[in-house]
Amino acid sequence: DTVLTQSPALAVSPGERVSISCRASEGVNSYMHWYQQKPGQQPKLLIYKASNLASGVPARFSGSGSGTDFTLTIDPVEADDTATYFCQQSWNDPTFGGGTKLELK
Amino acid sequence: QVQLQQSGAELAKPGSSVKISCKASGYTFTSYAMHWIKQTTGQALEWTGYIAPGSGGTKYNEKFKGKATLTVDKSSSTAYMQLSSLTPVDTAVYYCAREVYYGFWYFDFWGPGTMVTVSS
Repeated sequence: DTVLTQSPALAVSPGERVSISCRASEGVNSYMHWYQQKPGQQPKLLIYKASNLASGVPARFSGSGSGTDFTLTIDPVEADDTATYFCQQSWNDPTFGGGTKLELK
Repeated sequence: QVQLQQSGAELAKPGSSVKISCKASGYTFTSYAMHWIKQTTGQALEWTGYIAPGSGGTKYNEKFKGKATLTVDKSSSTAYMQLSSLTPVDTAVYYCAREVYYGFWYFDFWGPGTMVTVSS
């Protein structure tokens, strides 16, 4: 299985820029996707194929990377962005990162 | 609009089975594969498997072979996952998620989840 490792919980102030990392144990081309999950809700697609913004997602969210290293960036961060963010690869059987919990100061 | 409606919470005894459902609407059910994903209270997400509703073809995570069985009812646009020989380790929220495929694939819509609790 391809293991995805995410940065630990982050705390930022509203208006700042935050980058959330995801590292794959093997190359996954650009087949990395990002989801946002708020407490008590299902995950919501943010970014697909590394850098493509999903429909209806604010342009404050962006993604980059290829191979083994990927980044989700939120700029500027807003209060509503408090959530856990997961990466997921589809180069082979799907696996997910452990999630990065984003808290606002 | 695309909607995935899941069945309600289940409380099951060890050794029993449960069958949870995911009713799709707002799109052609047979045109998109349906995946099932397990989320434990520690938040980890784990892919269980998928079914192609048009053909009934399935693929399972090796870890869930013998544990999960995926089926569909095309007449009602509903996907099902049966979990058998339940143990407390199976306690989790189970999501159905629609796969979008454009030469690569991802999950564009998720159901609200079904909580399965295994306890004596």
